[in-house]
Amino acid sequence: AQTVTQSQPEMSVQEAETVTLSCTYDTSESDYYLFWYKQPPSRQMILVIRQEAYKQQNATENRFSVNFQKAAKSFSLKISDSQLGDAAMYFCAYRSAPMGNTPLVFGKGTRLSVIA
Amino acid sequence: ETGVTQTPRHLVMGMTNKKSLKCEQHLGHNAMYWYKQSAKKPLELMFVYNFKEQTENNSVPSRFSPECPNSSHLFLHLHTLQPEDSALYLCASSQEVASGNTIYFGEGSWLTVV
Repeated sequence: AQTVTQSQPEMSVQEAETVTLSCTYDTSESDYYLFWYKQPPSRQMILVIRQEAYKQQNATENRFSVNFQKAAKSFSLKISDSQLGDAAMYFCAYRSAPMGNTPLVFGKGTRLSVIA
Repeated sequence: ETGVTQTPRHLVMGMTNKKSLKCEQHLGHNAMYWYKQSAKKPLELMFVYNFKEQTENNSVPSRFSPECPNSSHLFLHLHTLQPEDSALYLCASSQEVASGNTIYFGEGSWLTVV
């Protein structure tokens, strides 16, 4: 079974600085999808960024980018120019790519605090 | 504003009560999900519905009973729950269950069992 590990329960960053959240996963599959979700105090899970494993190019979405290292099974999230609104729980998630019904597997999350 | 709406947002129930959580999605999706989020544990997938048909039951106790009358609505019927069932229950939807489809979440229903 696939597992997702987020080794940093809590992180903090100064406003306008850059922070990197770590995520590693364990799988024997070669084709899959990886996601970062943000969960602010409102508790809604919001998709931040996604990466297809077959793509070598790292995904980017404005201030958010990933460092996808397939061989190392690592998928870190970099937040640039951090803003107060970035404070939230961040969850890394994995999903197998074969056809049919495959669940999202989540890590335990990293709580990010942004210091003004 | 979210495309996935959950009600109630907060629910307190006794162990002998029967209550239901409701989820509605306005995104035209065909797949809907229930997740459970407990403190200090990863999100756990409970049920998956695809085109109104249940395609996954992730070993969930029978005191949780899902219902999907159409692709836009999903219910979670609760009866004789235990205090350890207290958690945030998240509903989600996606275009289909295929892996590449992004899953969109509601804001969750906080359940406290007393």
